[in-house]
Amino acid sequence: GQQLNQSPQSMFIQEGEDVSMNCTSSSIFNTWLWYKQDPGEGPVLLIALYKAGELTSNGRLTAQFGITRKDSFLNISASIPSDVGIYFCAGQNNNDMRFGAGTRLTVKP
Amino acid sequence: NAGVTQTPKFRILKIGQSMTLQCTQDMNHNYMYWYRQDPGMGLKLIYYSVGAGITDKGEVPNGYNVSRSTTEDFPLRLELAAPSQTSVYFCASSSMRGVSQPQHFGDGTRLSIL
Repeated sequence: GQQLNQSPQSMFIQEGEDVSMNCTSSSIFNTWLWYKQDPGEGPVLLIALYKAGELTSNGRLTAQFGITRKDSFLNISASIPSDVGIYFCAGQNNNDMRFGAGTRLTVKP
Repeated sequence: NAGVTQTPKFRILKIGQSMTLQCTQDMNHNYMYWYRQDPGMGLKLIYYSVGAGITDKGEVPNGYNVSRSTTEDFPLRLELAAPSQTSVYFCASSSMRGVSQPQHFGDGTRLSIL
């Protein structure tokens, strides 16, 4: 089956630092998505990418859809304490969506 | 703005018991999904539905059943609960416009089977 490898598994950073995480797959996806999950809640969509090579920003977040359609990265600039949470990448083909195992982000004030 | 609503939020079951996890959405989305999330893992698709009366298996369907009699509701049934089904269950929905539309998630049902 399609497997997504997300790295790093966890990150401990200082407030104000930039963060980068990525996701790779052995299979091609038509859509890449990045979600954030806070404790006790469901994932919330941050950014959706629909075209290979696409670079999209949402405030301090920037994500790119890899040119091979097998990878994506998410950058967070100037991190703040509320960025704490688990970030998931997801690759989607029609109704089939596969998730990475998540990157747990801790931001120290 | 209710979005996707899941009930109950928590439940403890004994091995062999059955239960139904409820999911309802008020966004008139045609597509609905059920996922499970095990500790330290991403979500895995159990079942999905592209409209009322239509359901399909996802990646991990064994031990579960679903039905979709209305656009709004997509219940997930466990007939004979097993310890391996201890997990957090998430329901999601998406619109029918275009392909690969982003999914909106509920807050989850935490299920423990002892």
